[in-house]
Order: sequence, then structure tokens, then C-alpha cells
Amino acid sequence: QSVLTQTPSTSGTPGQRVTLTCSGRTSNIGSNFVSWYQQLPGTAPKLLIYRNNQRPSGIPARFSGSKSGTSASLAISGLRSDDEGDYYCAVWDDSLNGPVFGGGTKVTVL
Amino acid sequence: QVTLRESGPALLKPTQTLTLTCTFSGFSLSTSDMCVTWVRQPPGKALEWLALIDWDGETYFSTSLKTRLTISRDTSRNQVVLTMANMNLDDTGTYFCARMRWTDGAFMDVWGGGTTVTVSS
Repeated sequence: QSVLTQTPSTSGTPGQRVTLTCSGRTSNIGSNFVSWYQQLPGTAPKLLIYRNNQRPSGIPARFSGSKSGTSASLAISGLRSDDEGDYYCAVWDDSLNGPVFGGGTKVTVL
Repeated sequence: QVTLRESGPALLKPTQTLTLTCTFSGFSLSTSDMCVTWVRQPPGKALEWLALIDWDGETYFSTSLKTRLTISRDTSRNQVVLTMANMNLDDTGTYFCARMRWTDGAFMDVWGGGTTVTVSS
């Protein structure tokens, strides 16, 4: 069982906006910056968001992150078929002295 | 351009020790803020962090696996080596190395393609 809790799956139609959530504790999300990763089928994870809401170069503005208290969110607007895959949140945990991942959310585009 | 590539055995028997090498380019592990980390993923399951080594040579390990793991670096060869002792069937999966940036939240900004490890008798 993961330290961070993510909804196992969500779906949307092309063009729609979906929001993924990541719930943690004071020792992790409540104290540190959250990052988000996209893993398309059969590929390595890819950084989407760091420092709660910053996008690396090359990541479109359709992806946005936010954090409030001990929860974080990733929003995908203008959903596209090639957004289908698994999305993971991660954050440093002060109690465990290492990064922790969420269990992942599988995004399906209907 | 930053790249990382994992290498190691594809098949191991239970109780054997796994040795994986991450060969990287495009950055120096001696530079402040730079770390290399290992993450694994059992088939069909979530990502699990294993270990990291930072620019000072400090090491950090997953609490649940720390007794089985070692991590070391060779800065001259741009390599980081992970060993995991006493492998069992549950250790089957894909193992990734990634560059981790310490500042701004210990995020993994560049990943290797992963190497698949199967533990079977």
C-alpha cells in the first residue's frame, strides 16, 4: 500500500478536463514540493510537474499542478488520446527520509 | 543532453545478488544538487523508490529494503551501481535509474529506459 493515495482510475472524453488527486500527510505533501510523472504504456516515466506547479520545458500548459495542505492535484485540460497512461505523484517524506510515490492513476480517454 | 542507461542481468535465481549499473552522461554527479536514484516497478504495479546517492556521496535507502541494498558511484566513469541482495520472486520487475534534482523537491527530471529483471528458479 502506497504512502500517497491516488484514485486508481479516471476517464474522460477528448477535449475534456480531468483532475487527478494525491493525498498524503504532514510529513510529505504537507512539508515538501510535489512532482508528477506520466508513464505511457511500455515506456519509462516522464516528469510532468515539479515544485508543485512548475512545468519542465516541453510540457504543454494543458498540464497543471497545485497543492493545498496535505493534498495535491494534477489537471489535464483538452484531454487527448495520447494522454492515456498512468500518472504518479511523488514527494519527499521527512519521516521515511526518502521520496515516496502514489499508487498511480490510470487515465483512459473514451 | 542528459541521458541515463541501465544495464545488468535479465534473469536471476532466488537468493542471488542483483547488480545494476546506471551509466549517465550530460551532467556531473559531483555538482551540487545532482543525485542519481533507482526506482523499480513490478509488472502491472506502481513505482517504488529504492535508493539514491547525492553529489556529496551521501546515500539514502528505502526503509523496507535498506538491509538488502547498497549504492555507490564512480564519478570518473559517470556510473552508479545498485546492488540488491537475497533476490526473491517479488523482486521481479523493471528497474529504472533517474537523475534527481535535490533543490525544489527532490524530483526526477530525466529517466533511463529501464531494465527488466526476472527472478525465477
